[in-house]
Amino acid sequence: DIVVTQSPDSLAVSLGERATINCKSSQSVLHSVNGQNYLAWYQQKSGQPPKVLIYWASIRESGVPDRFSGSGSATDFTLTISSLQAEDVAVYYCQQYASTPLTFGGGTKVEIK
Amino acid sequence: QITLKESGPTLVKPSQTLTLTCTFSGFSLSTSGVGVGWIRQPPGKALEWLALIYWDDDTRYSPSLKSRLTVTRDTSKNQVVLRMTNMDPVDTATYYCAHKDGEFDYWGQGMLVTVSS
Repeated sequence: DIVVTQSPDSLAVSLGERATINCKSSQSVLHSVNGQNYLAWYQQKSGQPPKVLIYWASIRESGVPDRFSGSGSATDFTLTISSLQAEDVAVYYCQQYASTPLTFGGGTKVEIK
Repeated sequence: QITLKESGPTLVKPSQTLTLTCTFSGFSLSTSGVGVGWIRQPPGKALEWLALIYWDDDTRYSPSLKSRLTVTRDTSKNQVVLRMTNMDPVDTATYYCAHKDGEFDYWGQGMLVTVSS
């Protein structure tokens, strides 16, 4: 099974500042044939279902603000919020879909400092 | 427009079997590559993937819960059904179904299932 580990568990960032969340997988999620990283990022606001922000590690979902970006490859990934807005307060999860069992990270809670 | 909605009991007793239905629209589970997954989230905790059924009826399960889970589909009704046996209070969670095309790109609103006598 691929274990997905996120860090930090929580972070507090001032409005307009950068927030960085890390995600590490125990095995590579880079597909050797198509060159895609099978890694997604989700945002979950209180009382709501998760919403996909990023897929294939770096492709922004339609309608997601461009302050959200994903980077990384193989086993190490990052979600960056370039300029934190009040509406970005949420828990963020990464998930690998390279193989079953599908696995999620433990989540990172983002708050305003 | 893709939508999914979970339905079923909100309260089950320990040892009982939980049956949840995901009713969806806006896509066909006969389309190559498409899947519907079940994910749960205990109160205040992280997401946990449970099961998946693909367009070709291939099913996958979480290894830790495999013996208790069954997922089936009714393509004519646009429904996917999750069955979980021998429910325990630790299974109290919000249960979500989601459309899978690679990542989980559309989610239902979820439903809280409480296991208590």
